[in-house]
Amino acid sequence: GEDVEQSLFLSVREGDSSVINCTYTDSSSTYLYWYKQEPGAGLQLLTYIFSNMDMKQDQRLTVLLNKKDKHLSLRIADTQTGDSAIYFCAESRIIKAAGNKLTFGGGTRVLVKP
Amino acid sequence: DSGVTQTPKHLITATGQRVTLRCSPRSGDLSVYWYQQSLDQGLQFLIQYYNGEERAKGNILERFSAQQFPDLHSELNLSSLELGDSALYFCASSVGNYGGNEQFFGPGTRLTVL
Repeated sequence: GEDVEQSLFLSVREGDSSVINCTYTDSSSTYLYWYKQEPGAGLQLLTYIFSNMDMKQDQRLTVLLNKKDKHLSLRIADTQTGDSAIYFCAESRIIKAAGNKLTFGGGTRVLVKP
Repeated sequence: DSGVTQTPKHLITATGQRVTLRCSPRSGDLSVYWYQQSLDQGLQFLIQYYNGEERAKGNILERFSAQQFPDLHSELNLSSLELGDSALYFCASSVGNYGGNEQFFGPGTRLTVL
């Protein structure tokens, strides 16, 4: 089945690292994405990882994947006030017949305090 | 700016009415997706089109329909509107057809049904 879950809220101090967690249930080959949504805006693709990888780093962002536990995390280094937003984890199975639908988690609201 | 455009930005209408939401994908993208974001359901995949053909279907109500035109823009038609249809409707686009193709989201259309 398909189910993606995230914690609801994270508060972090400016300059600290943020870690946002996500769990998924689909065991087939899949891509896992992180999107950011600021108030009144659309979803901005931040990064993604394929399910055969363990880690991906992109500037301040690090994605870690624990395949055994089906656990995905996004670490934001040196968190800034501009990082305050809702972060969504999403998965997409790579079965051609399934198209490319994204299954989203409920989103984690990150609040960065100065 | 993702390159995906959606019109209108806001729409206010009454129950029982019909509305059309429009989306233009990024230049070169052949796939278009529609998602609904509401407080109680979160972000839900509705439907995907690829080069004019329906590719994948999600939790789309029978009162809703979509199409993709030869110039690749897409329209989502919502009819017999109910209060519960009030939501943010996102369009996304990608180059390809199946999992692993990054989706880029438009700014959304906020629909309010009174």
